[in-house]
Amino acid sequence: KNEVEQSPQNLTAQEGEFITINCSYSVGISALHWLQQHPGGGIVSLFMLSSGKKKHGRLIATINIQEKHSSLHITASHPRDSAVYICAVRSPGNQFYFGTGTSLTVIP
Amino acid sequence: EAQVTQNPRYLITVTGKKLTVTCSQNMNHEYMSWYRQDPGLGLRQIYYSMNVEVTDKGDVPEGYKVSRKEKRNFPLILESPSPNQTSLYFCASSYHHRGGYGYTFGSGTRLTVV
Repeated sequence: KNEVEQSPQNLTAQEGEFITINCSYSVGISALHWLQQHPGGGIVSLFMLSSGKKKHGRLIATINIQEKHSSLHITASHPRDSAVYICAVRSPGNQFYFGTGTSLTVIP
Repeated sequence: EAQVTQNPRYLITVTGKKLTVTCSQNMNHEYMSWYRQDPGLGLRQIYYSMNVEVTDKGDVPEGYKVSRKEKRNFPLILESPSPNQTSLYFCASSYHHRGGYGYTFGSGTRLTVV
């Protein structure tokens, strides 16, 4: 069972390109999180969304509750954006479910 | 500095030898949780806690125990570790309300059971 599906699994982009990572989920949620994991393993929470859209610097996250879909966009991508991006949903019962991640490589 | 502290960072142990991985947070978060991360499977939730003395099973609780006697601490206990518990473990915490605002992860514990 995959409560959270992400696409693509792997993504290679040239520096400066606009990047989109997609996340679809099948469970009811109280919130959706986008996480970033760099080589070496540390995980950072980028966004928490329950509706609409959020922006932080070059990163934009959107969610469509009716369609159970979220996207993470990176504008003007940079090699330091290279990381694994993970979509996670928190159920109303407070359990977390995770996508398997999107590995992004940005080439100079 | 607001943080979640896990110890140890690395641990190699033998099958059957009880171990505890500690997790402590200094943000007064109500919600704490343990995850394991395995190649190809991603992150999976082991146990979570909504507050002191309140714990619940996640997706993969078998072989693990937790306790929440104080708000800041949430140790993960492996009573009899087995090789299939070799994994990278993360502790995380957040405020309970607002869907988990301010979700913060520890640096991870890489456990090898031989």
